[in-house]
Amino acid sequence: SQQGEEDPQALSIQEGENATMNCSYKTSINNLQWYRQNSGRGLVHLILIRSNEREKHSGRLRVTLDTSKKSSSLLITASRAADTASYFCATDAVDTGKLIFGQGTTLQVKP
Amino acid sequence: EAGVAQSPRYKIIEKRQSVAFWCNPISGHATLYWYQQILGQGPKLLIQFQNNGVVDDSQLPKDRFSAERLKGVDSTLKIQPAKLEDSAVYLCASSPGGLAGGRGGELFFGEGSRLTVL
Repeated sequence: SQQGEEDPQALSIQEGENATMNCSYKTSINNLQWYRQNSGRGLVHLILIRSNEREKHSGRLRVTLDTSKKSSSLLITASRAADTASYFCATDAVDTGKLIFGQGTTLQVKP
Repeated sequence: EAGVAQSPRYKIIEKRQSVAFWCNPISGHATLYWYQQILGQGPKLLIQFQNNGVVDDSQLPKDRFSAERLKGVDSTLKIQPAKLEDSAVYLCASSPGGLAGGRGGELFFGEGSRLTVL
């Protein structure tokens, strides 16, 4: 079963704009990760945020985590055409210890 | 450092035929995962190995799917007989250790093996 659900399913923006993707999950987690997948390729890890952290930055990426609302957001600032990809959140559930992926958000950045 | 290697990249078979996928994880990574990703969906965990032992195979359709990890290194995933709904990308991933990729950190994915069942 899918633990995380991303919103929106698809997002289209212009180069230079910011992109925000949201992830909601159902059970208690140890941490939450975000991955990127270019078309026809494997997934690439972007960032991991632990359950006791509220915000984390990595380059143009900013991730927030609200465990009381069981939600996370990924913000990509100053987007580029090369950011066009699908983005997945993945949760490491406390009860199962498995890393479960959401359905993903497809981001298109127009040059 | 070499990444996770998978082969073949593409495979087309008729339903009821068999197919096997191979994965070579990053050297030294104790944990290996097979995920199934149907078009437009997120990856679904099929099986997780810790060294050469199975940690979780609760979502592996055991009547047709099998997987092994010999000597705690390479792994093969087999489907026999294949059904139309098995058409998907089969992703192999590895992580350095721990019982779950999340606790051990990130997962490193291969490029995947795309299966089309006609």
